[in-house]
Amino acid sequence: DGGITQSPKYLFRKEGQNVTLSCEQNLNHDAMYWYRQDPGQGLRLIYYSQIVNDFQKGDIAEGYSVSREKKESFPLTVTSAQKNPTAFYLCASSIQAPSTDTQYFGPGTRLTVL
Amino acid sequence: GDSVTQMEGPVTLSEEAFLTINCTYTATGYPSLFWYVQYPGEGLQLLLKATKADDKGSNKGFEATYRKETTSFHLEKGSVQVSDSAVYFCALSRRGGYQKVTFGIGTKLQVIP
Repeated sequence: DGGITQSPKYLFRKEGQNVTLSCEQNLNHDAMYWYRQDPGQGLRLIYYSQIVNDFQKGDIAEGYSVSREKKESFPLTVTSAQKNPTAFYLCASSIQAPSTDTQYFGPGTRLTVL
Repeated sequence: GDSVTQMEGPVTLSEEAFLTINCTYTATGYPSLFWYVQYPGEGLQLLLKATKADDKGSNKGFEATYRKETTSFHLEKGSVQVSDSAVYFCALSRRGGYQKVTFGIGTKLQVIP
């Protein structure tokens, strides 16, 4: 079955540590996205990538980094510079074409800083 | 810039009640409009979409009509079930190029037996 997988489902981090969240898709989608979800704030865009080896900052990129070495994979690293990293992180993907505009989401990773 | 406004809730309904979740938007041009649903502990699932004025999106008994004149995309269902308990997000997007999606804050729906 085609879809988006995120791992791990739950992640705990000590203050000062970097952690990497995995996102993989087998939908052959060109574009991938990372969002952060906090209660009462909806979803906010962290980074996005429209093609391999290229990515752009979203609205809240500070303290995060990404890479896009393969079409299927878009890992997100939460660095120690992120002041308040406890949140639910969602990865999404979409086809890049003039006639399409729908993003499809993975199941999410809940990150907690201890 | 683009924005989406919806009530945060929670909205609490009895089973078989009629559901309306209001959504209004601010955007130039003709964005596409979406409703996504998020069940507890899960990611977002696309529920329905509409791409132009007067289009009606529908799925699993839910409906929403793209109203350009009132800039609205209200979600409705005639008879809710306990299994519909979730958070519902209204969103808008534009086709082509970078598909920036603007989300509302999400409305939590609780359906009690």
